[in-house]
Amino acid sequence: DAKTTQPPSMDCAEGRAANLPCNHSTISGNEYVYWYRQIHSQGPQYIIHGLKNNETNEMASLIITEDRKSSTLILPHATLRDTAVYYCIVQDKAAGNKLTFGGGTRVLVKP
Amino acid sequence: NAGVTQTPKFRILKIGQSMTLQCAQDMNHNYMYWYRQDPGMGLKLIYYSVGAGITDKGEVPNGYNVSRSTTEDFPLRLELAAPSQTSVYFCASSYPGSGANVLTFGAGSRLTVL
Repeated sequence: DAKTTQPPSMDCAEGRAANLPCNHSTISGNEYVYWYRQIHSQGPQYIIHGLKNNETNEMASLIITEDRKSSTLILPHATLRDTAVYYCIVQDKAAGNKLTFGGGTRVLVKP
Repeated sequence: NAGVTQTPKFRILKIGQSMTLQCAQDMNHNYMYWYRQDPGMGLKLIYYSVGAGITDKGEVPNGYNVSRSTTEDFPLRLELAAPSQTSVYFCASSYPGSGANVLTFGAGSRLTVL
């Protein structure tokens, strides 16, 4: 079973920041949080990952709470091309580092 | 650097037929995975491999077989295809060197069983 909980869908206005929440209350101390997205039926695309500290790259920022039980993916200026399903995943260190995908959040960016 | 290459992109099978989905990666990744994705659903892990000669079951292995004779290739075999195996199949690879395990996915293989 997926170790994360995400809202099933959310809308965002083009040009505004999109904040995608994720709960992972059973995360272990050495397990990373990953974010991927899937546009239409394409292969999932890696966005960002983090362990304890907040992370930023050219695509997004990842904010992880101090207790590591939740995180937020921030798309700073959403565009129509950011419409996709976003998956928050915690690797399963106890099971060969497998990544189990849940249902994700379906994000619709509106003009 | 082609990344992860899957073939074929599309295939229609009749019930009871067999086929192999091919997956190759040129990134020298030691881990490889097969996922399936049914319409409107998330990805489910079928099989994975942590290196040549080593494979293990995921969440939904029934009806499938895999082998890993080389680091580059990880074929998925469907024996006796059933309509329930109609899905999009994604292969992925990774190199979890220092703890993080970032997967690179292929473009997918869409399989229909009639």
